[in-house]
Amino acid sequence: GENVEQHPSTLSVQEGDSAVIKCTYSDSASNYFPWYKQELGKRPQLIIDIRSNVGEKKDQRIAVTLNKTAKHFSLHITETQPEDSAVYFCAALTGNTPLVFGKGTRLSVIA
Amino acid sequence: EAGVTQSPTHLIKTRGQQATLRCSPISGHTSVYWYQQALGLGLQFLLWYDEGEERNRGNFPPRFSGRQFPNYSSELNVNALELEDSALYLCASSLGGRMDNEQFFGPGTRLTVL
Repeated sequence: GENVEQHPSTLSVQEGDSAVIKCTYSDSASNYFPWYKQELGKRPQLIIDIRSNVGEKKDQRIAVTLNKTAKHFSLHITETQPEDSAVYFCAALTGNTPLVFGKGTRLSVIA
Repeated sequence: EAGVTQSPTHLIKTRGQQATLRCSPISGHTSVYWYQQALGLGLQFLLWYDEGEERNRGNFPPRFSGRQFPNYSSELNVNALELEDSALYLCASSLGGRMDNEQFFGPGTRLTVL
């Protein structure tokens, strides 16, 4: 079955700097890759997703890139702000099988 | 629009007991998913219900079961509770039929097994 590895597990950046979180997946047939943000004590929320027919997608300060050959995808956050502090989860989906999540990255943005 | 709701917020049980967790999806959503979020393990998929049927099941023992009602709300039952079942249980809902429809999560039920 699918396996998703996420790195790093914790990340600290200065406010205004960029943050990058990387995930690798094992199933080359995976075709959908969402990213969820979970603030402390709150529910996970989808922040961006990408499908396998696209290499990059941007939404304001966040972007996701996908390298199907290498089977990895990354979340990029530019101009980080304190409110970006949260746990971020990547996930991968193959067809109509369940989402497989990475173990999360705790991002701390230091003001 | 009301979001996904879950009850209870917290649940404390002892080993061997049974727990029932409830989830109400967003209006119009027919799919309900259950996840276990244990410390340091991310989100582990438990069950997927769509249109009243169980569509998929994660790698959990049979004592984890559930059902979906005609109004699309759902119930997760955990029998013979073990200490390691202590976790946050998240429910999510989406438009039905496809796993790649955006999943909207509820606030979770924190289950503590003593």
